Order: sequence, then C-alpha cells, then structure tokens
Amino acid sequence: EDQVTQSPEALRLQEGESSSLNCSYTVSGLRGLFWYRQDPGKGPEFLFTLYSAGEEKEKERLKATLTKKESFLHITAPKPEDSATYLCAVQADYGGSQGNLIFGKGTKLSVKP
Amino acid sequence: EAQVTQNPRYLITVTGKKLTVTCSQNMNHEYMSWYRQDPGLGLRQIYYSMNVEVTDKGDVPEGYKVSRKEKRNFPLILESPSPNQTSLYFCASSFGAGGYNEQFFGPGTRLTVL
Repeated sequence: EDQVTQSPEALRLQEGESSSLNCSYTVSGLRGLFWYRQDPGKGPEFLFTLYSAGEEKEKERLKATLTKKESFLHITAPKPEDSATYLCAVQADYGGSQGNLIFGKGTKLSVKP
Repeated sequence: EAQVTQNPRYLITVTGKKLTVTCSQNMNHEYMSWYRQDPGLGLRQIYYSMNVEVTDKGDVPEGYKVSRKEKRNFPLILESPSPNQTSLYFCASSFGAGGYNEQFFGPGTRLTVL
C-alpha cells in the first residue's frame, strides 16, 4: 500500500534555528514527490516537485532533497512567517487514480521570534 | 490573477439536503480534482477529471458526484449529505490531462452536515 509518513508531527524553532522536516514514502513507482505549505484556513500552496533520487530544489530559506525512500525539507534560518503546516505528497507511476496525490499528515512548524 | 476559486467557503446544512460546491479555475488547466481533508487522515482524493466530460473516482468517492461540462468548472455534488461528509473540501487543478504536474489548490470549503 502506498504510504507517506511525515515527521515530526510538530516542530518548534527559534527564529534563525535551522532544522529539517522528513517525509518517508513507500510506493511501487514514484512519479513525483511534492511539497506544499498550508496556512490555517487556506488551501495548500505548492512549493516543490522532485522526480528522481539526488534531485534538490531551493526557494528562499527552503531546500528540498530526495532519496529513494525519503525527502527532506531543510529550513535555513527560519523566520516567524515560515510558520505553517508543511505537507508532503507522492504520485505513483502506475494505474489507480490518475494524478492522485497521496498526502502525509503534515508537520506543523512554529517559529518563535 | 491565476487562481482556483470555490464557493461557498462555508456551508452548514442538514442531512439529506442536496448541495453543490462550485469550483472554477482560470488557468486553462485540463486536470481538476476534489480532495477532502480530515483531522488525522490528511487529504484524500474524491474525484478527478482529465478533461471535459472525462471524470473518474478517486480514493473516497462514495456519496459524491461530479460533472465537467466546461473546462474551467468542476462542481462537487452531494445529493444526500450525511454527517460523515462534514469536512474541509479542496478543489485543485493542474496543467496536462494526467495531473502529473503541480496541482494548484483552491481556498477550501468548510462543510458541516447536521
């Protein structure tokens, strides 16, 4: 069964304190791994797509990496405005629901000034 | 501004009263999808559409219907809502019929069924 597990469930950081969020996945064939940010009461906002092991992408203070079993979202010198829930999702490269994103439960990040 | 819009944003209804949640996108995307988000369960796909008049079931389709008569619109229909359909609903769209590019999400519709 395809599965996405995110850890930790919640993370509290001080402003400037770098850390990483983990997304481990089991899927028979990975078509793509997606990172989204979700603010309270809003829809998920797209951050990155990763397609193959070894791939990395960066955006401001965020950097996403991918291996064959997991992905990391590294947050460098976070600011309070980075506080949000970060969602990881995978798409499988075989039948089933076309384009279906299989989501993890998310990591709730709080950054204190 | 490129966006996915949903209406209504909040809805409280009673069991059995048919309702429709509208979804519209202005990006000329082929692929559209509906998800529900529940605490402890995350986001799960309800239905998707690869293009006009092409729809199919996702992981949790029971109790829902959809239609895709125009490329920009993808309404979600609950013909006889029940309390277990109380949830936060998101519409998403993506370039390309396969839905394999990044999906852009609407702001959500919070539905309560009494």
